[in-house]
Amino acid sequence: DGGITQSPKYLFRKEGQNVTLSCEQNLNHDAMYWYRQDPGQGLRLIYYSQIVNDFQKGDIAEGYSVSREKKESFPLTVTSAQKNPTAFYLCASKSAGAPSVGSYNEQFFGPGTRLTVL
Amino acid sequence: SQQGEEDPQALSIQEGENATMNCSYKTSINNLQWYRQNSGRGLVHLILIRSNEREKHSGRLRVTLDTSKKSSSLLITASRAADTASYFCATDTNFNKFYFGSGTKLNVKP
Repeated sequence: DGGITQSPKYLFRKEGQNVTLSCEQNLNHDAMYWYRQDPGQGLRLIYYSQIVNDFQKGDIAEGYSVSREKKESFPLTVTSAQKNPTAFYLCASKSAGAPSVGSYNEQFFGPGTRLTVL
Repeated sequence: SQQGEEDPQALSIQEGENATMNCSYKTSINNLQWYRQNSGRGLVHLILIRSNEREKHSGRLRVTLDTSKKSSSLLITASRAADTASYFCATDTNFNKFYFGSGTKLNVKP
């Protein structure tokens, strides 16, 4: 079954703790993304990676860190430096580069992780 | 910011009616996509329209793109209660980085 998975579904963090959100895909996609979604809002890009061992900051990278050691995995760490981390976190993947004839440039999304700071 | 903005923010219609939502963006794009999100879930891709296309259809969905006005519209015909969700447009300029709008929340009443 091909797809993208995120775990855990719900996560609770105490003030001052780092937590890591998991994202795994078996779609053989090169590019992976992390987004943050606040209630009633759109998605904001945290980090993205187009290839293993390389990643770029998105619009709201402060207080977050990522790694891309394997093609299928792109974990996100929410550090204690992130002042307001309570949000819904979405991971996505896509094949890299420009869309070719008959292919799509769509992103495939995981089911999300809801992080709450206690 | 490149980010798109959807309009209206919320839309409530009766089952069977058509739903139209709009997206505006700020800079030139390679393509524009529409996604759907059911409450508390991930996003699902609906349709993509390339910058050199003006209209595209997929089932009950019709998307238009006007690059001169930097705007797109999504029309859902003969809406169903199951279409109740939030709809987002996403634009990209380099095929690998996407900007999402704030979404239109559609409620289809049975």
